[in-house]
Amino acid sequence: QLQMQESGPGLVKPSETLSLTCTVSGGSISSRSYYWGWIRQPPGKGLEWIGSIYYSGSTYYNPSLKSRVTIFVDTSKNQFSLKLDSVTAADTAVYYCARRGKIWGEAGNWGQGTLVTVSS
Amino acid sequence: DIQMTQSPSSLSASVGDRVTITCRASQTITTLLSWYQQKPGKAPKLLIYAASSLQSGVPSRFSGSGSGTDFTLTISSLQPEDFATYYCQQSSSTPSTFGQGTKLEIK
Repeated sequence: QLQMQESGPGLVKPSETLSLTCTVSGGSISSRSYYWGWIRQPPGKGLEWIGSIYYSGSTYYNPSLKSRVTIFVDTSKNQFSLKLDSVTAADTAVYYCARRGKIWGEAGNWGQGTLVTVSS
Repeated sequence: DIQMTQSPSSLSASVGDRVTITCRASQTITTLLSWYQQKPGKAPKLLIYAASSLQSGVPSRFSGSGSGTDFTLTISSLQPEDFATYYCQQSSSTPSTFGQGTKLEIK
């Protein structure tokens, strides 16, 4: 059974870079049937798609974050990672990694989520 | 970006009720629409994909319908564990976008 786990600092200072990694177990990140993505949810608010990556390295970012976001994959470790530059308090959120189907785009598997707080 | 608008934003219902939540897209998305259930402190759970396909393991009281711009999620007979927040998501174009959520509460 596929499992996904986010890891990274829970506190980031304003203007610094948020870095998270998602470790995938029970399935291969090199599968051609899925994209691997990041979604975030500010406290008490709705869901925002950040971006996705295919095993080949092709990326798709939310234009609202594109200038600050990088997603990359490490197939040897079965991991993919998120970097978000120049963070502000508005980037405080629970960050989820998820696996999305290539045909229908559904996010059928999610990590448990990790709260990242931006504060000095 | 494609805007997804859910209605209602909140809903009170009783166990055993039939409940319908609607989701409208600002432009056509064919059937590239998914529904999720989220409980407090938990990750969203996929219920429906491709507008009407039931995810494996999801009870059959959940169903989805629609195409183009108008979609519905129906719960045929509410169970206590169904009280949660529900989101729709379109995957027709980048960025993928979510509705604002519908909070289903116990009456």
